[in-house]
Amino acid sequence: GAVVSQHPSWVICKSGTSVKIECRSLDFQATTMFWYRQFPKQSLMLMATSNEGSKATYEQGVEKDKFLINHASLTLSTLTVTSAHPEDSSFYICSALRSGLGYTFGSGTRLTVV
Amino acid sequence: ELKVEQNPLFLSMQEGKNYTIYCNYSTTSDRLYWYRQDPGKSLESLFVLLSNGAVKQEGRLMASLDTKARLSTLHITAAVHDLSATYFCAVDWGAAGNKLTFGGGTRVLVKP
Repeated sequence: GAVVSQHPSWVICKSGTSVKIECRSLDFQATTMFWYRQFPKQSLMLMATSNEGSKATYEQGVEKDKFLINHASLTLSTLTVTSAHPEDSSFYICSALRSGLGYTFGSGTRLTVV
Repeated sequence: ELKVEQNPLFLSMQEGKNYTIYCNYSTTSDRLYWYRQDPGKSLESLFVLLSNGAVKQEGRLMASLDTKARLSTLHITAAVHDLSATYFCAVDWGAAGNKLTFGGGTRVLVKP
């Protein structure tokens, strides 16, 4: 149980375009999901906490207008990287917290901006 | 601000020998997690440690938590090549709402 599906697993986009990443909880309802970014050979950094039906909470230094988060249902959160630039290239990972089971992570999305 | 420090950052292991990874954190928390990450992949949950003195074991891996010392260890017994990966500890900010802060990771390479 506690499966989180993330899509796409990888995406290449042109500089200036926007990219949407989806994170779905498949067998449970997730009122809160989390979005992380991981640069090569580095640790995971929390970008924002996504709350169903309300605005996301962004970590300090994360541009909320650039990284749009929508959590419109109890099973889906989306992260849209707007006007992507090469420095946004990274590995993006979502997770959801299930009571008593801890955090479950999506499979990650490798974003390359060219 | 919570800080989570892992050491060493890199560990070259010989098969059959024992090793320990350390995870120190800077503020009170009673929820600590260990994860494994293979190259290009997401995180695989290894252990959840919920109380002082907690010890959990799975195969060649054993994790423990000392909340008074703010220290967790991940012990590897008789290392094998399949254990090559990056290992992360992460601490949950329970008081501030659920929020994981990760250590810097320990890259493990097990050589034959």
